[in-house]
Amino acid sequence: EAGVVQSPRYKIIEKKQPVAFWCNPISGHNTLYWYLQNLGQGPELLIRYENEEAVDDSQLPKDRFSAERLKGVDSTLKIQPAELGDSAVYLCASSRSGQGYNEQFFGPGTRLTVL
Amino acid sequence: QQPVQSPQAVILREGEDAVINCSSSKALYSVHWYRQKHGEAPVFLMILLKGGEQKGHDKISASFNEKKQQSSLYLTASQLSYSGTYFCGTDAGGGADGLTFGKGTHLIIQP
Repeated sequence: EAGVVQSPRYKIIEKKQPVAFWCNPISGHNTLYWYLQNLGQGPELLIRYENEEAVDDSQLPKDRFSAERLKGVDSTLKIQPAELGDSAVYLCASSRSGQGYNEQFFGPGTRLTVL
Repeated sequence: QQPVQSPQAVILREGEDAVINCSSSKALYSVHWYRQKHGEAPVFLMILLKGGEQKGHDKISASFNEKKQQSSLYLTASQLSYSGTYFCGTDAGGGADGLTFGKGTHLIIQP
């Protein structure tokens, strides 16, 4: 089966510019996650969707970050405006459901560099 | 709260064994293990559930001590392909809270 697809793979922007990342999860996976991974660190959850509902966005900096999953399939994560500290890899993952016994499948990530 | 992984890094010769540990201060529902190679996505290795159930690859073994909230990943007869960073992700809410990942253990296998 096809894996989690993310685009773009790399993005370089000037600070204060907007940026958007796109994710298409594995077909049939109801749960979608956005993680942020800083260099040398583990992934940190930003937001989790069950179908089109954001069920956990407590770690999402809502003043500049937003996300949507309108039809319960693909998702977009946006940053506006970007800051230097936002430079990181943004990972998308999906699983069949949000139950703890389901493995998460990760996409290759988008590496964001803010200059 | 972030789980603590140990060691931070380990260097092995091909064929040697390694143990990677993950410890949490919270009561856990499950522990997930992933391996990530440089510039690539984390790849699922194993889930260990409260109650003893496990799900994962046949060539990977791990344990979960529910009383101590500790998990260990056992890599035996290591191969060059085992190199990478290993992350444990802990779930304290049965999936309700998502996974909290440790900082990772860097494993280098030398020929």
